[in-house]
Amino acid sequence: EVQLVESGGDLVQPGGSLRLSCAASGFTFSSYNMNWVRQAPGKGLEWFSHISSSSNTIYYADSVKGRFTISRDNAKNSLYLQMNSLRAEDTAVYFCARDGGRWDFDYWGQGTLVTVSS
Amino acid sequence: QSALTQPASVSGSPGQSITISCTGTSRDVGGYNYVSWYQHHPGKAPKLMIYDVSNRPSGVSNRFSGSKSGNTASLTISGLQAEDEADYHCSSYTSSSTPWVFGGGTKLTVL
Repeated sequence: EVQLVESGGDLVQPGGSLRLSCAASGFTFSSYNMNWVRQAPGKGLEWFSHISSSSNTIYYADSVKGRFTISRDNAKNSLYLQMNSLRAEDTAVYFCARDGGRWDFDYWGQGTLVTVSS
Repeated sequence: QSALTQPASVSGSPGQSITISCTGTSRDVGGYNYVSWYQHHPGKAPKLMIYDVSNRPSGVSNRFSGSKSGNTASLTISGLQAEDEADYHCSSYTSSSTPWVFGGGTKLTVL
């Protein structure tokens, strides 16, 4: 069974940093591209970062470019998100999602909540 | 403001059919057959229901179907059941600056 479990969400002050993790199991993690998607309170989903299976290709949405860094450790079956210079508008539930290979996301985690507030 | 436009809410009675629309542009929904739909029960993991406009992943009920006309994609749920009550999100590949765009989500209420 494919499982994705996010962790690391917390309350952080504006300008602060946080590192999220996504532990993968039930599939060959190193064979799949991965993504981060977030949902702000009362809003829709927002894709914001993608990493290829070998980390060769990385994309960011303009909303996080220069502040967030996606990475992965295939030996540990884990996806990471380093978030710096956090803003109130980064408050959201953060999901990791497996790339279905057809421009869709075929498996998701349950999400971890990041709250940016003083 | 989301790139794709969905109605904020729809409702239907058990056994009825409902349709959720997802309107984009020729740079996303209208230009490519890469529309997907996700069911999300709050607090749970979103679930892929439809990919490539009209294809169902293995294990998804055939009560769920997708279609597209021009710049608008649609998700139809027939024979509504109580467990269908959830938020539904559409997504599309886009030739804009980001590869994927989502709609604002639609809350389905089963009366």
